Amino acid sequence: AQSVAQPEDQVNVAEGNPLTVKCTYSVSGNPYLFWYVQYPNRGLQFLLKYITGDNLVKGSYGFEAEFNKSQTSFHLKKPSALVSDSALYFCAVRVANDYKLSFGAGTTVTVRA
Amino acid sequence: DTAVSQTPKYLVTQMGNDKSIKCEQNLGHDTMYWYKQDSKKFLKIMFSYNNKELIINETVPNRFSPKSPDKAHLNLHINSLELGDSAVYFCASSQVGGSSYNEQFFGPGTRLTVL
Repeated sequence: AQSVAQPEDQVNVAEGNPLTVKCTYSVSGNPYLFWYVQYPNRGLQFLLKYITGDNLVKGSYGFEAEFNKSQTSFHLKKPSALVSDSALYFCAVRVANDYKLSFGAGTTVTVRA
Repeated sequence: DTAVSQTPKYLVTQMGNDKSIKCEQNLGHDTMYWYKQDSKKFLKIMFSYNNKELIINETVPNRFSPKSPDKAHLNLHINSLELGDSAVYFCASSQVGGSSYNEQFFGPGTRLTVL
């Protein structure tokens, strides 16, 4: 079975500071990893994904994530957070030949001005 | 142009009623999904159709029945609504054929409230 853990329910940072949202996963086989963001009363928006290749993946809105196989992690990062980054962030995982995408519980990010 | 659309956006109804939520995607994708997001924002897959064939059918009460008339549409019908069905229901789509790596695109959600 595949699963995702987001150990922090909430992350609070000041605008301009670095932002990190943590994600660890558990799968049998090679993982395909995704990050999504959900703004209030909206659907999920895709940010970035790791399939294979370079462990550092760059995505939308200045976000990036680093795949670490030994630590089974895929943490989301942004060098300088904006107030507009305040939202709910979901990490998700799937494996090849499986249509099912398993989501973490989500991390609420609050960026204060 | 809206990529994945859902109707209605809000649905308020009484216990015991039957209701439907509709979803349409104009992305040309071959796979569509229904998710339920509960009050704690936890997101859980319910169903998925690939080229009109049911491929994911999670542990969901049989009061919930998906129907896919064609690749671009996936509807969700709920019979005998219960209080616990109150949630936000998201439709999503992705292109699976040719690549299993593609991300899913989500609709805006339907907030169902059962009174």
